[in-house]
Order: sequence, then structure tokens, then C-alpha cells
Amino acid sequence: NAGVMQNPRHLVRRRGQEARLRCSPMKGHSHVYWYRQLPEEGLKFMVYLQKENIIDESGMPKERFSAEFPKEGPSILRIQQVVRGDSAAYFCASSPRDANEKLFFGSGTQLSVL
Amino acid sequence: KQEVTQIPAALSVPEGENLVLNCSFTDSAIYNLQWFRQDPGKGLTSLLLIQSSQREQTSGRLNASLDKSSGRSTLYIAASQPGDSATYLCAFKDSGSRLTFGEGTQLTVNP
Repeated sequence: NAGVMQNPRHLVRRRGQEARLRCSPMKGHSHVYWYRQLPEEGLKFMVYLQKENIIDESGMPKERFSAEFPKEGPSILRIQQVVRGDSAAYFCASSPRDANEKLFFGSGTQLSVL
Repeated sequence: KQEVTQIPAALSVPEGENLVLNCSFTDSAIYNLQWFRQDPGKGLTSLLLIQSSQREQTSGRLNASLDKSSGRSTLYIAASQPGDSATYLCAFKDSGSRLTFGEGTQLTVNP
């Protein structure tokens, strides 16, 4: 039973480009969470999704960021027109039923914006 | 706004020592609290989860306690080993969907 899979592990983008980060939850998990870890800061919640639904996006920046978790395929975190301040580690987590259970985290995607 | 504080920020101990990591939170409306381990370049590994109705949880050499009235949790590591070297994070959860993380304690266990 594979864990939470994130790809790519490292992503380099120039300012103004788009970044797409992918997350496949653990088998049997239908709840996905995205967290961001900025340099020298703790992890901060971004968004919570179930299949085809955004449940809580209160941690998402108002512009340029979007997330989806389609019926088929991985969850995608999309950042449009990246800026240097978007450079961070982006972690995905999943749980079987809801946010009250133990979360299982992926290894993260390190985004570097040049 | 919930704040989670971890003390100390860094800790270096010799192998075999017992140690305690501290986590404090400002919001008493806790649902559960989790302790994670983060290794460089890797994701987070959940170590222990304590529900608000519980006072402690144990797994092997690890023991986590929760005191809601004082807003504190501790992670006790017995007989530390070099393989325990990592950053330890505590995360508070209220009735919503998000975890609020502390900034972690970076532990180094020297052989």
C-alpha cells in the first residue's frame, strides 16, 4: 500500500510561469489537504478537498492559487504567474474519512522560483 | 487565532538520554493534538495522536501527554538514539479541518 505520492519532488519555475503540483492520496483515502512550508516558517494549511469538492479553502491566497481533486486522477495544486515569494515546500496529506483522523503526509514538492 | 509554540527550538543530547519536548497552545477548544517527525527532504511521519478526551498516548519509546487546562502537550522520548535525530512538530486541531503547526524542535542525538 503505497503512501501519499507527490510529484515532482523538485520544481523550478521562472517568475510568471505556472506551477502544477500533483498529489495521489493513499489507497482508500478520499480526503486531501495541502500545506505550505515557507523558509524558516512552520507549515500552514492551504486547502482541504474531497473528491470533486473543495471543503475548506480558507488558507489559500486569494489570487493565482487554485486546487482540485477530480473524480479520477490526482489532486492538483496550481499556481499561476509564480513569484519568488511562492518558493516553498508544498506538502499534501490524506485521510480515509475526515480531518479528525490521523493525516498521512507525502514527501513534498520543493518549488523554487527564479 | 490559535498559536502553537514549541520549546526548545533546538536540542542536542548524548545518546541514551531521556528527553522532553514541549508544545503549548492558546486555544482550549482542542479536538486533538498530533506529534509528527520531519526528516530533511522528506515528509512528515505521524507519531502519536491524542484526542481531547485522552491524557496520554504511548508508542514504543515515545509518550505524549495532553493537559488541556494548561494548554500544553509534551513528547517524552526514552533512551534516545541517533536515529531519533529529526525535527519534531506538534499540531493542534480544533473542530475545523485544519491543523495548526508549531515551528518545531530540531533534535540531534549524538552517538
